[in-house]
Amino acid sequence: EVQLVESGGDLVQPGGSLRLSCAASGFTFSSYSMTWVRQAPGKGLEWVANINHDGFEKYYVDSVKGRFTISRDNAQNSLYLQMNSLRAEDTAVYSCARAGQTWRALNTWGQGTLVTVSS
Amino acid sequence: DIRMTQSPSSLSASVGDRVTFTCRASQAVNGYISWYQQRPGKAPKLLIYAASALEYGVPPRFSGSGSGTDFSLTISSLQPEDFVTYYCQQTYSVPYTFGQGTELQI
Repeated sequence: EVQLVESGGDLVQPGGSLRLSCAASGFTFSSYSMTWVRQAPGKGLEWVANINHDGFEKYYVDSVKGRFTISRDNAQNSLYLQMNSLRAEDTAVYSCARAGQTWRALNTWGQGTLVTVSS
Repeated sequence: DIRMTQSPSSLSASVGDRVTFTCRASQAVNGYISWYQQRPGKAPKLLIYAASALEYGVPPRFSGSGSGTDFSLTISSLQPEDFVTYYCQQTYSVPYTFGQGTELQI
């Protein structure tokens, strides 16, 4: 069974840091681009970052550039999101998703992990 | 950045109705459009990719169409479980932006 499981969400103070993890199973992780998407409480979906299959191409939404870093460990079938200089507006459920190889549609999603930025 | 605008933001309908949602991109996206369904508290589910290709396992009452900047998702005969929220997304150019969503209400 193809599965993605996120972890690492927590309550953190503004300006703090957090590292999210996403454990993948049931597919050849190293063959797929991976994405982080977030959803603030009561709001819509926001694409955050994408990393290609070998980790050499990374893209970010402008609002997180310079603060967040996406990475992966293909040997460990894991995806990460290092989040620094966190702001209240980063409060959201963060989900990892697998991107299709041709059209980049997000065909598998994890259940998400909640990040709350508050003092 | 490519802006995705969904309309309407919410739509009221009844079981058995045929409904269509639209998604407009601020520039051409070469068919790189996906549609997702999201139930409250759950992860989104991919319905349509490449503007009109039905994801495996998705009921055929769902269909997608469009080209250029204008795309649509149609549900041919609404079932009770379809009254949730739908999002479009472009994956043509980073950032791969989502629309703001359409909530389907009974």
